Amino acid sequence: KAGVTQTPRYLIKTRGQQVTLSCSPISGHRSVSWYQQTPGQGLQFLFEYFSETQRNKGNFPGRFSGRQFSNSRSEMNVSTLELGDSALYLCASSLVVGTDTQYFGPGTRLTVL
Amino acid sequence: KQEVTQIPAALSVPEGENLVLNCSFTDSAIYNLQWFRQDPGKGLTSLLLIQSSQREQTSGRLNASLDKSSGRSTLYIAASQPGDSATYLCAANTGNQFYFGTGTSLTVIP
Repeated sequence: KAGVTQTPRYLIKTRGQQVTLSCSPISGHRSVSWYQQTPGQGLQFLFEYFSETQRNKGNFPGRFSGRQFSNSRSEMNVSTLELGDSALYLCASSLVVGTDTQYFGPGTRLTVL
Repeated sequence: KQEVTQIPAALSVPEGENLVLNCSFTDSAIYNLQWFRQDPGKGLTSLLLIQSSQREQTSGRLNASLDKSSGRSTLYIAASQPGDSATYLCAANTGNQFYFGTGTSLTVIP
């Protein structure tokens, strides 16, 4: 069974631009979570989607948004990029919401110049 | 708010040594606790998941324990190998989200 895939793997943008990242969960998994990882803050939860609905949201500004499609694939969007948005963005999928094991993708490395 | 702490932040051991990584969390109301490893620049690989009703889980040379009442979990690695070198992260699941510790960077010296 294929693992969680994320595209693109690397991205370079400039301040003020917007970016869209994509995540395809493991087949059959309906829950997708997004995390931001930085050296200073570690892994921080962005949001979780289940059956196309945002179930939980972390403490990030409204510039960070996401959505999930009927095939469980998910996208996250960051608008008006800031230098501090440079990070590794990780997506995780699980079979059910809340209590199940999370399986992570390789991440998208975003650099904002 | 759940806070997760991992000690030590870094650990260096000679090959073959047994070692223990520590994870503590402030709120004992968790559904489970999961241990991951992360290689540099890569995503997270799930190692073990312990449900709140369990005391420990084992997989090969790895054994993880959970004591909810004291807010602690440990990851025991037996007979360490250079391939075990990585950052180890624990995550406490409250049912709404996973709260991650900052990790322990492990180096196993051949």
